[in-house]
Amino acid sequence: QEQLVESGGGVVQPGRSLRLSCSASGFTLTSYAMHWVRQTPGMGLEWVAFISHDGSNKDSADSVKGRFTISRDNSKNSLFLQMNSLRPDDTALYYCARESLWRPGSHFSDLWGQGTLVTVSS
Amino acid sequence: EIVMTQSPATLSVSPGERVTLSCRASQNIRSDLAWYQQKVGQAPRVLIHDASVRAAGVPARFSGSGSGTEFTLTISSLQSEDFAVYYCQQYNVWPSWTFGQGTKVEIK
Repeated sequence: QEQLVESGGGVVQPGRSLRLSCSASGFTLTSYAMHWVRQTPGMGLEWVAFISHDGSNKDSADSVKGRFTISRDNSKNSLFLQMNSLRPDDTALYYCARESLWRPGSHFSDLWGQGTLVTVSS
Repeated sequence: EIVMTQSPATLSVSPGERVTLSCRASQNIRSDLAWYQQKVGQAPRVLIHDASVRAAGVPARFSGSGSGTEFTLTISSLQSEDFAVYYCQQYNVWPSWTFGQGTKVEIK
């Protein structure tokens, strides 16, 4: 069964750092581009960051650019999100999401993890 | 940035009814649109991609249509398990996905 499991969330003070992990099972992460998406009651679903299948291309939302870094270790079937200089408005449920291989150019997600909660509060 | 606008915000319906949800893009996104269903405490699950292609395992009562800036998700006969929040997502401007704010389908 294909599965993504996030971990690493928790309560952290403003200005501190946190590293999220996403572990893949039931499939080989190497073949897939991956994203991080966060969700809050007020803002809904917000795309955070992207990384290509081999890690050669990355991008992130303006709201996190310069503070968050996406990376991957395909040998460990894992995806990461290093979050620095955290702010209260980074509080959210963070999901990792796999981009489908249905056809080139069809960049929807066909698999999501259950999410890990990050709370930024003093 | 492409803005995705969904309507209505909430829909109160009875089981067996036909349901139509709308999604509008702020600019032309061709057919680069997906619909997701999210139930309480669960992750989003793709229902429709490329505007009208039903994802694997999705019941035939779900259908999608539209292109350009106007899109629709239709549930032909609402079942009890379909009460959830539905999101549209554009992937035309990639890799920066943007999502609509969601439509909650609740029991009337």
